[in-house]
Amino acid sequence: EDQVTQSPEALRLQEGESSSLNCSYTVSGLRGLFWYRQDPGKGPEFLFTLYSAGEEKEKERLKATLTKKESFLHITAPKPEDSATYLCADLGAGNMLTFGGGTRLMVKP
Amino acid sequence: SQTIHQWPATLVQPVGSPLSLECTVEGTSNPNLYWYRQAAGRGLQLLFYSVGIGQISSEVPQNLSASRPQDRQFILSSKKLLLSDSGFYLCAWNLASGRARASTDTQYFGPGTRLTVL
Repeated sequence: EDQVTQSPEALRLQEGESSSLNCSYTVSGLRGLFWYRQDPGKGPEFLFTLYSAGEEKEKERLKATLTKKESFLHITAPKPEDSATYLCADLGAGNMLTFGGGTRLMVKP
Repeated sequence: SQTIHQWPATLVQPVGSPLSLECTVEGTSNPNLYWYRQAAGRGLQLLFYSVGIGQISSEVPQNLSASRPQDRQFILSSKKLLLSDSGFYLCAWNLASGRARASTDTQYFGPGTRLTVL
């Protein structure tokens, strides 16, 4: 059974303190790895899709990378407005997304 | 551009009452549509998906059902709510693959419905 595990569950950073979020997956034959941002009480907002090991994508202070078994979301010099829950999901057989439990990021000014 | 709507935004229902949540998509035709549930502090669980009108696939056995009466309308229903049905319900869409299966395209989510069953 496909499993997606995100760590840490929660992360507190000071403004400007860079860090990384981890997403490990077990599906074989990965068809895509997706990152979303979710603010409290709202639907997830799409950030990135990665398709093959070695691929990287960037958006403002965020950079997503992919290896054969995990993905990282690097946050460089975060700001308080980056506070949110970050969700990753893999796309496996049947073209269904399997989501991890999310990492709740809090950036203090 | 495409827009996805869900209503109501919040709902408080007694145990044993019926449920109807609605999702509509604008700006695209023949999308794949999905219903997810997100329990407090947990990841998203896929409940149903649809690749076309009247075509519903269920991912988990439960107290809920789904219907797709129109191309861009997806409805989540229950005849009798349980306490365990409480949660945040999310509808999502993506572009159809042209085949009778869900697409690999990115899924885009609606604003969600917060359901509390008392």
